[in-house]
Amino acid sequence: DIQMTQSPSSLSASVGDRVTITCRASQSINSYLNWYQQKPGKAPKVLIYAASSLQSGVPSRFSGSGSGADFTLTISSLQPEDFATYYCQQTYTTPYTFGQGTKLEIK
Amino acid sequence: QVQLQESGPGLVKPSETLSLTCTVSGGSISNYFWSWIRQPPGKGLEWIGYIYYNGNTNYNPSLKSRVTISVDTSRNQFSLRLSSVTAADTAVYYCARVGGYYQLYYYYMDVWGKGTTVTVSS
Repeated sequence: DIQMTQSPSSLSASVGDRVTITCRASQSINSYLNWYQQKPGKAPKVLIYAASSLQSGVPSRFSGSGSGADFTLTISSLQPEDFATYYCQQTYTTPYTFGQGTKLEIK
Repeated sequence: QVQLQESGPGLVKPSETLSLTCTVSGGSISNYFWSWIRQPPGKGLEWIGYIYYNGNTNYNPSLKSRVTISVDTSRNQFSLRLSSVTAADTAVYYCARVGGYYQLYYYYMDVWGKGTTVTVSS
């Protein structure tokens, strides 16, 4: 299985901050990388697919980059509704695997 | 707008079979892959497997010996069966549509159910 490792596991930030979350795959996955946001008690919601494509309806402050094995999710200016847990997921090959999550908390 | 709804028992006894159904509304089950994902309490997400509307399946090897995913296109539903459950199978179970650009093999879970909590306990 391809292992997905996110860093950091948790992060404290303030409204208006620029935040970057990193995801590293245990092998190259080209650009088959998705990012999801999950709020407590809710299902995940896709933000970014194919490493850098913004899902319809997702605010433009979210962006993704990377290819191969290293990827980043950036939130350019944190809003109160962005405090949540973020997961990366590879769909390069089955079993599809997720990172362990990054919990973004209010400072 | 496509919506998914999981249904099934919230409590299952150890060694028994967990059975869940996902009902697709607002759209057809045809021409898509459909997936099950679970999340143990306080933990991350685990992909269980998917089924294509024609019945082709792909399972996570870690669960493959115990998992069956099936589809009923006439009812616009797909289902999960997980046999010989233990406490480690206690989780929120989500069904999801696999969206994306199939021709380019770009897949992602674009529509999710709200999730259903399944507890394994005697």
